[in-house]
Amino acid sequence: SSELTQDPAVSVALGQTVRITCQGDSLRSYYASWYQQKPGQAPVLVIYGKNNRPSGIPDRFSGSSSGNTASLTITGAQAEDEADYYCNSRDSSVVFGGGTKLTVL
Amino acid sequence: EVQLVESGGGLVQPGRSLRLSCAASGFTFDDYAMHWVRQAPGKGLEWVSGISWNSGSIGYADSVKGRFTISRDNAKNSLYLQMNSLRAEDTALYYCAKDGIFGVEGDAFDIWGQGTMVTVSS
Repeated sequence: SSELTQDPAVSVALGQTVRITCQGDSLRSYYASWYQQKPGQAPVLVIYGKNNRPSGIPDRFSGSSSGNTASLTITGAQAEDEADYYCNSRDSSVVFGGGTKLTVL
Repeated sequence: EVQLVESGGGLVQPGRSLRLSCAASGFTFDDYAMHWVRQAPGKGLEWVSGISWNSGSIGYADSVKGRFTISRDNAKNSLYLQMNSLRAEDTALYYCAKDGIFGVEGDAFDIWGQGTMVTVSS
């Protein structure tokens, strides 16, 4: 089965823009979905498909993809965006990336 | 309100069995595929198993294949995970997750339960 690779940790200054990336061969053919998980809480879907946000997700969250890399961008990061972020893709199997811990400074 | 509520977790000895349940409400359960995803303490998410709306398509992670069995009862709006031959490495919080129907926009888990903890230890 394919693997998805994420940077373990990323930081961003309050109000600035941050990009979280996810690399994997499956992303050449399939969209990634992105999940936010805060401590002690269940994951929440924030981006799916080409660049779609479920109801209730702020528009500062956006998604993009190029080649084997999918990206989650937060434009104007807020303190409440500090969380773990996971990418996910499905080809012959269902795979999650290892997760990126986002710190908002 | 769309809701998934897991139950059945607990402390179990290695080699023993446990059955998890997930009760769904607030949506038409038999329209959607469902999944189990787990998270070991301090670790990332790991997909465990998934089942299509009519149980016609089922998949498992290699780590649980042959030991775990997923099933659903659409009449009861419920999803299950029968876990046999449990190992210490199966210790995790087990989430039930619903598939969204996003067509050409691909697949995603759009609703998650709060999870039920499984601890495998002697």
